[in-house]
Amino acid sequence: DAGVTQSPTHLIKTRGQHVTLRCSPISGHKSVSWYQQVLGQGPQFIFQYYEKEERGRGNFPDRFSARQFPNYSSELNVNALLLGDSALYLCASSPPTGSYNSPLHFGNGTRLTVT
Amino acid sequence: GDSVTQMEGPVTLSEEAFLTINCTYTATGYPSLFWYVQYPGEGLQLLLKATKADDKGSNKGFEATYRKETTSFHLEKGSVQVSDSAVYFCALSPSFGSGGSNYKLTFGKGTLLTVNP
Repeated sequence: DAGVTQSPTHLIKTRGQHVTLRCSPISGHKSVSWYQQVLGQGPQFIFQYYEKEERGRGNFPDRFSARQFPNYSSELNVNALLLGDSALYLCASSPPTGSYNSPLHFGNGTRLTVT
Repeated sequence: GDSVTQMEGPVTLSEEAFLTINCTYTATGYPSLFWYVQYPGEGLQLLLKATKADDKGSNKGFEATYRKETTSFHLEKGSVQVSDSAVYFCALSPSFGSGGSNYKLTFGKGTLLTVNP
């Protein structure tokens, strides 16, 4: 089975631009979470979506938004990019609720560089 | 809020050496605890987990025991290999009763392990 897939793998943007990152979860997984991993740090939680609804949000500004589609894929959007948004953006999926302790399955991430 | 503190790296070992990476946490209730591994250029892979006190997670020769009394989840391996070179992250998810989401993981900063032949 295919794992979590993310696109693009690398992206270079300039300050002030916006960016859209995409994620396809593992087949059968209905929950998608997004994390930001700045170089040398652990991932930080941004959003979680389940059944197309936002179920959790981390401490990120309103420039960050996301959505989930009927096929459970997801997009992360970041507006008015800042240099500090340069990071590896990780998407993770997990099985339907009822598997409370099921772990997250991570994609390989999108490396965003803001210049 | 929840937090995870893990041993600062980098850690450099020779092949077949014993590995310990310390991890302590702060959280209410009984969180689930995880170790994830990140190989260069890749995302995170779950290495092992433990969901209640005194549980021992194990995988690929790695072990970690959930110690509620010391709020710790130290990672150990008896004999490391060159292929174990990676960054290791300790993480927790909130306990169900605290109303938190099990999808919101709190990670430590990561420990870079390099194993030399």
